Amino acid sequence: QQQVKQSPQSLIVQKGGISIINCAYENTAFDYFPWYQQFPGKGPALLIAIRPDVSEKKEGRFTISFNKSAKQFSLHIMDSQPGDSATYFCAASKGGSQGNLIFGKGTKLSVKP
Amino acid sequence: SQTIHQWPATLVQPVGSPLSLECTVEGTSNPNLYWYRQAAGRGLQLLFYSVGIGQISSEVPQNLSASRPQDRQFILSSKKLLLSDSGFYLCASGANVLTFGAGSRLTVL
Repeated sequence: QQQVKQSPQSLIVQKGGISIINCAYENTAFDYFPWYQQFPGKGPALLIAIRPDVSEKKEGRFTISFNKSAKQFSLHIMDSQPGDSATYFCAASKGGSQGNLIFGKGTKLSVKP
Repeated sequence: SQTIHQWPATLVQPVGSPLSLECTVEGTSNPNLYWYRQAAGRGLQLLFYSVGIGQISSEVPQNLSASRPQDRQFILSSKKLLLSDSGFYLCASGANVLTFGAGSRLTVL
């Protein structure tokens, strides 16, 4: 049973464009929603995270939008750069702990110069 | 900050052979430790997690086992590898923020 559904599987964006990756979850007990960025041959690294008490969180060019009623959250990358090319994973957990993070299947982003 | 060391980085093993992947953590004590497997198109699958020495929880039944002989050491093992064990294995540590190692790529032939 997939509890976090991520789309699209792959995404190609021109340099300077906006990259948007969407995730939907099923378990209303989830209360922590991080995004991880993974470059080829490396382990994932935490990029940005949000809790359901806010609808948006922005850090530099990266923004999470959260819709609690729809049980959806998305990552927006503004002014996308070739260096942003990576695989992005959304995730969710409950109880404030990352011990049992449920990951989406990932989105491979390619930013063309 | 935490640093996670994983080795070997790459491994090619025949079907039926044993496996041992090691993970050590620096910069923290008594960490929560995790083993994830990443297969193409299937995201990150949690295999095992440990909250202390000798305490291992398995998330999925499989051909693998884990052990934690020391506070900052986590080992993933198999007695007999299957083709389906091929993948990218990641060790992670943390509680509020997960830090991942660089991974071990296993190919079973």
